[in-house]
Amino acid sequence: GENVEQHPSTLSVQEGDSAVIKCTYSDSASNYFPWYKQELGKRPQLIIDIRSNVGEKKDQRIAVTLNKTAKHFSLHITETQPEDSAVYFCAARGRMDSSYKLIFGSGTRLLVRP
Amino acid sequence: DAGVIQSPRHEVTEMGQEVTLRCKPISGHDYLFWYRQTMMRGLELLIYFNNNVPIDDSGMPEDRFSAKMPNASFSTLKIQPSEPRDSAVYFCASSPWRDNEKLFFGSGTQLSVL
Repeated sequence: GENVEQHPSTLSVQEGDSAVIKCTYSDSASNYFPWYKQELGKRPQLIIDIRSNVGEKKDQRIAVTLNKTAKHFSLHITETQPEDSAVYFCAARGRMDSSYKLIFGSGTRLLVRP
Repeated sequence: DAGVIQSPRHEVTEMGQEVTLRCKPISGHDYLFWYRQTMMRGLELLIYFNNNVPIDDSGMPEDRFSAKMPNASFSTLKIQPSEPRDSAVYFCASSPWRDNEKLFFGSGTQLSVL
């Protein structure tokens, strides 16, 4: 079944710098890779996603890249701001047991220092 | 739309007691998911429904856990009897048929079993 690994577990950057979070997945049949942001005490919210037929997707200061051959994908946040501080989860939609489901990484706690 | 609504927001109970968590999905969404979030295990999928029918319950930890969806606007997750290791945040999420990978999470129920 699918397994998603996420690194780093914590990341501290200076405001204005870039942040990069990386994930690897195991199931080559996985075809959908979303990123969720969870602020302290809040619900996870989808911020960007990418499908396996696309190599890169950008939305303002955030971008996601996908390398299908290497089975890894990354989240890039440019010009970080204090409000970017949160836990970020990657996920992959792959087949586990009898159905397709989203498998989440363990999360990255991002701290943006003012 | 008010989004996915969960109740209660917080639940404190004693070991051995029955706990019932409730969820109202977004109107028109065909999929409903129950996730559990802990520091040790991250976000784990417990069970999901499609059109009120349970599709995959392979993530349900043991027989003490049960979930129902009697109609399109209501689902429950029950733990009987509860144990301290069940302490976690339980999230309900829903998604529409056409974009069923995109999860809309509720605010979660913080469960503490003493």
